[in-house]
Amino acid sequence: AQSVAQPEDQVNVAEGNPLTVKCTYSVSGNPYLFWYVQYPNRGLQFLLKYITGDNLVKGSYGFEAEFNKSQTSFHLKKPSALVSDSALYFCAVRDIATGFRLNFGKGTSLLVTP
Amino acid sequence: NAGVTQTPKFQVLKTGQSMTLQCAQDMNHEYMSWYRQDPGMGLRLIHYSVGAGITDQGEVPNGYNVSRSTTEDFPLRLLSAAPSQTSVYFCASRQGTQTLGYNSPLHFGNGTRLTVT
Repeated sequence: AQSVAQPEDQVNVAEGNPLTVKCTYSVSGNPYLFWYVQYPNRGLQFLLKYITGDNLVKGSYGFEAEFNKSQTSFHLKKPSALVSDSALYFCAVRDIATGFRLNFGKGTSLLVTP
Repeated sequence: NAGVTQTPKFQVLKTGQSMTLQCAQDMNHEYMSWYRQDPGMGLRLIHYSVGAGITDQGEVPNGYNVSRSTTEDFPLRLLSAAPSQTSVYFCASRQGTQTLGYNSPLHFGNGTRLTVT
């Protein structure tokens, strides 16, 4: 089964510092990976995806993610964190078996302090 | 552009009651799905549909029914509510079921917070 793991329940970062939210994947075949963000009392919003091509993927709100095949990772990064980046972040992988489904990680809560 | 609309926002049920959570999208998306979100468990897929008249089970389908009579609507029915169904429910849609559509972003509604007592 295609799956992702987010090893950290919470990440704390000071405003202005770089941030990293970790995600590792387990798939058979080529991975199709996604990051979503959830602000309080809202649904998830798409940030970025890796399908093929460059290992560094740029997305919304200044976020980027680095695909690393040898480490089976797809970490989310931002050079300079903002307080408004505080939210719940989900990594997801497309289930190749069905083609349709996204399997989500358990989420990582990011807290950016002033 | 409303996107994905879920109603109600909040609901309290007693054990054994039934109800329907509504989901509508105005983007002409073929694929629609229902997830539940529980603390520490992420999002788990309940049911999904790849077009009108076509539905299938996800990871946690027990206790829930769905139907898809139109492209726009995908209601989720709780047949006999149980405390274990206390959760936040999200409807999500995306375009197409062709190869390119598989990797299109999911669009989520703002959720329905359900409490079963």
